[in-house]
Amino acid sequence: QVQLVQSGAEMKKPGSSVKVSCKASGGIFSTYAVSWVRQAPGQGLEWMGGIIPASATATYPQKFQGRATITADESTTTAYMELSSLRSEDTAVYYCAIAAGWYDPFIYWGQGTLVTVSS
Amino acid sequence: QSVLTQPPSASGTPGQRVTISCSGSNSNIGSKYVFWYQQLPGTAPKLLIYRNSQRPSGVPDRFSGSKSGTSASLAISGLRSEDEADYYCAAWDDSLSGWVFGGGTKLTVL
Repeated sequence: QVQLVQSGAEMKKPGSSVKVSCKASGGIFSTYAVSWVRQAPGQGLEWMGGIIPASATATYPQKFQGRATITADESTTTAYMELSSLRSEDTAVYYCAIAAGWYDPFIYWGQGTLVTVSS
Repeated sequence: QSVLTQPPSASGTPGQRVTISCSGSNSNIGSKYVFWYQQLPGTAPKLLIYRNSQRPSGVPDRFSGSKSGTSASLAISGLRSEDEADYYCAAWDDSLSGWVFGGGTKLTVL
């Protein structure tokens, strides 16, 4: 049973960056696809991109290319999502989620990290 | 604006059958599997249906999924109060090279 534990809530100023971590335990980390999904207050789910740690190559939807950076450290079985140039619209709960592969469903989810962007 | 279209709300009384629709296009639902997630208030989403109609272990058979063309549906029979949650459909989109979600449907058990 894979468990994902995310870092704590963050309060950030507009224009700054935030880095959220997601530590995996209890399963094979390197060959899974780790994705980041965010949810703005009262809104739906939005995929931000993901990475297969063994390949170290991340993929992003066009909306987040150049602003989101997803990385993974196999030695600590931890994935990271850094979002730069923050604006108020980035206020959301950010989830990491794991799937067996890119086209497979998100089976395991982290508990979520609230990022609040406010001046 | 979500790529997949769901009704914002649905409701039913205990014991009733409710269906939630999800509409997409050829680049997602029309050519890829559909997945459904249940999100209880204040919690992370949970996989409810995978590959259009398969249930993960532990999901009651009251939940069922189907797909036809560029649309999919989630049906919940024998509605229970604990089914009150937000439900999201999802699919890989070949044109966008990524996952897309519906806007979510809030299910209320009256």
